[in-house]
Amino acid sequence: GQNIDQPTEMTATEGAIVQINCTYQTSGFNGLFWYQQHAGEAPTFLSYNVLDGLEEKGRFSSFLSRSKGYSYLLLKELQMKDSASYLCAVRDPNSGGYQKVTFGIGTKLQVIP
Amino acid sequence: NAGVMQNPRHLVRRRGQEARLRCSPMKGHSHVYWYRQLPEEGLKFMVYLQKENIIDESGMPKERFSAEFPKEGPSILRIQQVVRGDSAAYFCASSPTGTTQETQYFGPGTRLLVL
Repeated sequence: GQNIDQPTEMTATEGAIVQINCTYQTSGFNGLFWYQQHAGEAPTFLSYNVLDGLEEKGRFSSFLSRSKGYSYLLLKELQMKDSASYLCAVRDPNSGGYQKVTFGIGTKLQVIP
Repeated sequence: NAGVMQNPRHLVRRRGQEARLRCSPMKGHSHVYWYRQLPEEGLKFMVYLQKENIIDESGMPKERFSAEFPKEGPSILRIQQVVRGDSAAYFCASSPTGTTQETQYFGPGTRLLVL
């Protein structure tokens, strides 16, 4: 099975940079996702990493180290609308050819003025 | 260009009643995933379906829960004889072909409250 750990809550200031960490323990690995979920809404896709390194996409970047079982999501120039939960999810390597993912509990980020 | 549709958005049932949750995938998507999100918990995989086939139901409770994705119409998650512990948000996601590199697109969810 998969075990995914991420902090439950974080607070950061508008305009600042915040890094949300995620560690996972698994017998195999086939990709890591980050999703954003505003309260009462659907998760929306942010990023997907399958190789080591940093993927940058505007204000959001995601990093992966497979040897360390570690990823982080970096949010720059924080805006109030970035207040949401950020979900780390790992694809199950034993799911065959399809996309079965295990989600972490999510990190609730509060952006303050 | 409609996204994933779920209805109802909110559903209230009394213990012992049946709950039917519907999911219409994005246009062109033939793969559907159902997840449950309990308060203060992460999304938990329940079942993965293709048209007319259940591919993986390993996350679904063995009793009272069933899912289908008929050739025509939406995917349906059915919960019989609901109990208070079934109160949760149920999300449906879809993808075009279900392969590993694809993003899953989530619907807005159905919030089930069992009284």
